Amino acid sequence: GESVGLHLPTLSVQEGDNSIINCAYSNSASDYFIWYKQESGKGPQFIIDIRSNMDKRQGQRVTVLLNKTVKHLSLQIAATQPGDSAVYFCAENPGNQFYFGTGTSLTVIP
Amino acid sequence: DSGVTQTPKHLITATGQRVTLRCSPRSGDLSVYWYQQSLDQGLQFLIQYYNGEERAKGNILERFSAQQFPDLHSELNLSSLELGDSALYFCASSVGWSTRETQYFGPGTRLLVL
Repeated sequence: GESVGLHLPTLSVQEGDNSIINCAYSNSASDYFIWYKQESGKGPQFIIDIRSNMDKRQGQRVTVLLNKTVKHLSLQIAATQPGDSAVYFCAENPGNQFYFGTGTSLTVIP
Repeated sequence: DSGVTQTPKHLITATGQRVTLRCSPRSGDLSVYWYQQSLDQGLQFLIQYYNGEERAKGNILERFSAQQFPDLHSELNLSSLELGDSALYFCASSVGWSTRETQYFGPGTRLLVL
């Protein structure tokens, strides 16, 4: 199967700081990527997506960067808030289905 | 709230039993996806239905089956349950048939097999 991994399983940041969550993907044919946020006891929530014809995409307080050369994806959260505490995981799609990483747990310290 | 509903929220059963999980997609969505999420693995795609027809299959065991009804709700049937089937089962929905569309997830059903 596909291998979508994360560099760090846990991340703690101070409230107000920026957070960066990384993801490595394995399939060079993947051309669509999504970041999801999953809070405890809830289903994954769509945050932002990016297609392979782009290197960067910005949303509200979030930015996704895609480096196809090294098959790396990152999610940047600006001015991290306590409500951002959750598990974040990336998903890649080479055309047939999504393959999900196991996630990074982000803890925001007030 | 994504608009996707799943029932039941929790399910406890014994090995060898059979259970049915239910999902109602967002209004207007024709595709339903089923995923399994266990502690040591990320979300694993099981199966997709689009407008009543099976569209794509992932890592779904032969003991598992699903269907989508005319009103677009879907059921996932898990039979001959084993301890390893204990997991969170999520349903997601999207508007069309393409797997590249944004999928909206329900709150999940937590299954515990004893």
